[in-house]
Amino acid sequence: AQSVTQPDIHITVSEGASLELRCNYSYGATPYLFWYVQSPGQGLQLLLKYFSGDTLVQGIKGFEAEFKRSQSSFNLRKPSVHWSDAAEYFCAVGASGGSQGNLIFGKGTKLSVKP
Amino acid sequence: ETGVTQSPTHLIKTRGQQVTLRCSSQSGHNTVSWYQQALGQGPQFIFQYYREEENGRGNFPPRFSGLQFPNYSSELNVNALELDDSALYLCASSFRTGNLLGTEAFFGQGTRLTVV
Repeated sequence: AQSVTQPDIHITVSEGASLELRCNYSYGATPYLFWYVQSPGQGLQLLLKYFSGDTLVQGIKGFEAEFKRSQSSFNLRKPSVHWSDAAEYFCAVGASGGSQGNLIFGKGTKLSVKP
Repeated sequence: ETGVTQSPTHLIKTRGQQVTLRCSSQSGHNTVSWYQQALGQGPQFIFQYYREEENGRGNFPPRFSGLQFPNYSSELNVNALELDDSALYLCASSFRTGNLLGTEAFFGQGTRLTVV
């Protein structure tokens, strides 16, 4: 069965420091992978997605993610974190035979940013 | 701004009651997906509606049902509410044709349901 694991429940980084959020997936075929961000009281916003091709994907707000098939990972990175990046981040995989609206999400990683 | 609107924003219901949540999809979108997000968890896929028919369902019992209307708006109905149904319910809209993937899904801000 398809699944997504985000090993870190909560991460705190200092403003200006680099960030990496981990995501591992379980999927039989080539996965469709997504990262979403959720601010308190808000819905989900798509940061970036991977379908095929270049394994390094650029997204909005300066985020990028790298697909590593050998490690079943799709980690999210940002070189310099801003206080406004504090939010919850969700990794997701596209369900088999489904559309971009049919996703399996991880449990999320909450990011706190220290001044 | 995504253009997906959900109503109401907050709702309190008593165990055993029924509830209807509403979602207006973004202009030009024809597919609506519903998710349940319990506190501290990631969203869980409930079902998806495409061209007014259910098109994919997650691991939720039949008391979770839905509708999609000709204007592509949608309703989520939950019967016989249980305490564990307390959650944020998210709606997402996208556009599909013959390509299964379709376009990016845009999420609404959700309806916070509390069952007491």
